[in-house]
Amino acid sequence: DAGITQSPRHKVTETGTPVTLRCHQTENHRYMYWYRQDPGHGLRLIHYSYGVKDTDKGEVSDGYSVSRSKTEDFLLTLESATSSQTSVYFCAISDLAGDGYETQYFGPGTRLLVL
Amino acid sequence: AQSVTQLDSQVPVFEEAPVELRCNYSSSVSVYLFWYVQYPNQGLQLLLKYLSGSTLVKGINGFEAEFNKSQTSFHLRKPSVHISDTAEYFCAVSERAAGNKLTFGGGTRVLVKP
Repeated sequence: DAGITQSPRHKVTETGTPVTLRCHQTENHRYMYWYRQDPGHGLRLIHYSYGVKDTDKGEVSDGYSVSRSKTEDFLLTLESATSSQTSVYFCAISDLAGDGYETQYFGPGTRLLVL
Repeated sequence: AQSVTQLDSQVPVFEEAPVELRCNYSSSVSVYLFWYVQYPNQGLQLLLKYLSGSTLVKGINGFEAEFNKSQTSFHLRKPSVHISDTAEYFCAVSERAAGNKLTFGGGTRVLVKP
């Protein structure tokens, strides 16, 4: 258990409203990630962070922003939600395993429905 | 840019039968390879990973995978499945020069029938 929680776990919102999803970790990991999961696409990286206030874009970053003001929290914001952002969102952290590679561990996910 | 193809979107299999899930990748550089499993309504759990060394990798729950560099494949196998193996399985790749960023395949849904 990598000590990752996501909130909320489920959310229904309307098109055009802002939405913020929170990822919280308890074990001081440096790297944190946001993915979205859609049928047939697997998981796709939205944004990631390599430290407090250090973030970068992933493969599908348009329409999303992130912030990391504390090591333990990584926030994903949809400034103006659209129906195409209906998805399951996963947070992940990296942990340095015994083999020297930063293996990623995933949170339980947030189901977002944009009407 | 790297990409991952999982050739089967769904694989039905009877309990105690063997299963193989196919994964092919494309990359111009050396890669790390992973298989993750997702049980219904849960997050992803790491099954196994290939970083270097022996091309046959053993993971949790009796799964193993073989890295074939010439065929750019990393197929997952289990000799005898259980009902509890019903889940979605994802192959993923990380280029060695790209840090920890993962690229996932589209997933293979395994349904184990009694």
